Amino acid sequence: GAVVSQHPSWVICKSGTSVKIECRSLDFQATTMFWYRQFPKQSLMLMATSNEGSKATYEQGVEKDKFLINHASLTLSTLTVTSAHPEDSSFYICGAGTGGNEQYFGPGTRLTVT
Amino acid sequence: EDQVTQSPEALRLQEGESSSLNCSYTVSGLRGLFWYRQDPGKGPEFLFTLYSAGEEKEKERLKATLTKKESFLHITAPKPEDSATYLCAVQEIGNEKLTFGTGTRLTIIP
Repeated sequence: GAVVSQHPSWVICKSGTSVKIECRSLDFQATTMFWYRQFPKQSLMLMATSNEGSKATYEQGVEKDKFLINHASLTLSTLTVTSAHPEDSSFYICGAGTGGNEQYFGPGTRLTVT
Repeated sequence: EDQVTQSPEALRLQEGESSSLNCSYTVSGLRGLFWYRQDPGKGPEFLFTLYSAGEEKEKERLKATLTKKESFLHITAPKPEDSATYLCAVQEIGNEKLTFGTGTRLTIIP
């Protein structure tokens, strides 16, 4: 149980284009979804928190117009990186909360911007 | 602001050599302390949640313990497949957000 999927698992895009990453909870309803970014040999840094049907809450220093988050249903959240630049290259991971304490993570999406 | 510090940053052990990983934390009110395992290029895999000082949980060769200021992840007679980065995270009362430490990269040498 508590399986979270992400798609795509890796993506390469050109500078200036937009990329959408999907996160799905497969066998439970996620009341809250979290988006993290992880740079090599560093820990997970929370970017934003989203609840189904409401606007996402962004962490300090994260540009909300650049990282668009949509939490369309209790099983799906999307992160769109708009006008991507090489410095946005990173490993993006979503976490899904059940409303209890635990948070379960997707396998991550490796984004490379050329 | 919640803070989580893990040590050591990296640890190399011979197969069968037991050791402990440390996670020190400061949080205004602890809702839960979490241990995750992360393999390279993968998302974190949930291991344990601890809620109160004195609590212990075990899973195979791993045992997690909690005090008011730190948590330990004890690994007994580790095998090469235990090699991974182990992440500690805290959750504050009234908040679902997790604050992660920087992790311990564990390597078990056959």
